[in-house]
Amino acid sequence: ETGVTQTPRHLVMGMTNKKSLKCEQHLGHNAMYWYKQSAKKPLELMFVYNFKEQTENNSVPSRFSPECPNSSHLFLHLHTLQPEDSALYLCASSQEMAYRLGTEAFFGQGTRLTVV
Amino acid sequence: AQTVTQSQPEMSVQEAETVTLSCTYDTSESNYYLFWYKQPPSRQMILVIRQEAYKQQNATENRFSVNFQKAAKSFSLKISDSQLGDTAMYFCAFILTSGTYKYIFGTGTRLKVLA
Repeated sequence: ETGVTQTPRHLVMGMTNKKSLKCEQHLGHNAMYWYKQSAKKPLELMFVYNFKEQTENNSVPSRFSPECPNSSHLFLHLHTLQPEDSALYLCASSQEMAYRLGTEAFFGQGTRLTVV
Repeated sequence: AQTVTQSQPEMSVQEAETVTLSCTYDTSESNYYLFWYKQPPSRQMILVIRQEAYKQQNATENRFSVNFQKAAKSFSLKISDSQLGDTAMYFCAFILTSGTYKYIFGTGTRLKVLA
């Protein structure tokens, strides 16, 4: 399998549940990202990992907890979410020093999350 | 703060016609890269075109071209000979060269190509 793969594609969870989103990339990239996509809002950068180290946390509430065990895998652990957290969660990856090279981020197909 | 503004939430164009999607951005830095991404109904974002801010020449990729005006901080996307497969959300984005892994995106423009 190639590219960036996210599972599950769809998730419905109650406000008291705990669930995890998974992202895997087979591109040999070292940087991985979580973005939140909501209607009529800019894509919101949530977290960035570079070589497994978190380099960005964009003031994300603690009910979202990222984990990056290695450069190929990224998780987003969810607990006690609110209905306003319902959105499309996108994972992406990029080359090391993509900012200097101007290379693009590669995205997965996202997880459509609904909090009820 | 760095921001991207896409002022057209939705647009439509007849098949084979030309359409231009607008994008303005704000940053105090002078070195960055700009991107247009396409997000079809499958939801997977794919790169359409890239522009280096230090290059004055506008980038082109087949039917896609940009009009990059650095002083105005404008980066519009022109799609020529529109095809039904161009129907998608289009996002404008940029990344600074200053050393952070932050791709900054706009709100997107939903484009519908009509048969």
